[in-house]
Amino acid sequence: QLHLQESGPGLVKPSETLSLTCTVSVGSISSTTSYWGWIRQPPGKGLEWIGTIYYSGSTYYNPSLKSRVTISVDTSKNQFSLKLTSVTAADTAVYYCTRHSGYNNFPRWFDPWGQGTLVTVSS
Amino acid sequence: QSALTQPRSVSGSPGQSVTISCTGTSSDVGGYNYVSWYQQYPGKAPKVIIYDVNKRPSGVPDRFSGSKSDNTASLTISGLQAEDEADYYCCSYAGSYTWVFGGGTKLTVL
Repeated sequence: QLHLQESGPGLVKPSETLSLTCTVSVGSISSTTSYWGWIRQPPGKGLEWIGTIYYSGSTYYNPSLKSRVTISVDTSKNQFSLKLTSVTAADTAVYYCTRHSGYNNFPRWFDPWGQGTLVTVSS
Repeated sequence: QSALTQPRSVSGSPGQSVTISCTGTSSDVGGYNYVSWYQQYPGKAPKVIIYDVNKRPSGVPDRFSGSKSDNTASLTISGLQAEDEADYYCCSYAGSYTWVFGGGTKLTVL
């Protein structure tokens, strides 16, 4: 069964860059049907799609975050990563990595999800 | 791109049916049959329970069903059980390879 695990600092200072990595195990990140995504959830609030990457490197971002977000993939390590620049307290959230699953080479739903990692933005 | 609109909370008694709505626009919910629903328990990651408006992943009870009419998608849970108490989120494709979630609905089983 595909397993995803987020890793990275739990505390980031305002104006700095948030960096997280998702390691995919029991499965290949390079499957031709594989899209991968990042989703976040501020404490006590709802889910927000951050972005999606195809294993080949094509990326798709939430327009509201696009200027600050970079998602990349490292197929040799079976990992994909998130960078969010110029963070503020509003970026404090649990960050989830997920496979953006689907068929006919189109991503349609998010499954499975990593357990999530809380990132707090504070000085 | 605005969040889809869901009721903040719904409730029902065991055995009853509840429906959670998810209202968007013709640019997201109304424009595509790519609506998915997620169940989330406190402190846990969400889990998909419906995709492509009305399809259930393997292992999801058939008490969960999805539908769509115009710009509103709906999740119906029939034969409500105590274990269904959770938060539920809808998500829709919004064109140009972007996706948008609803604000979430807290389901209380009375």
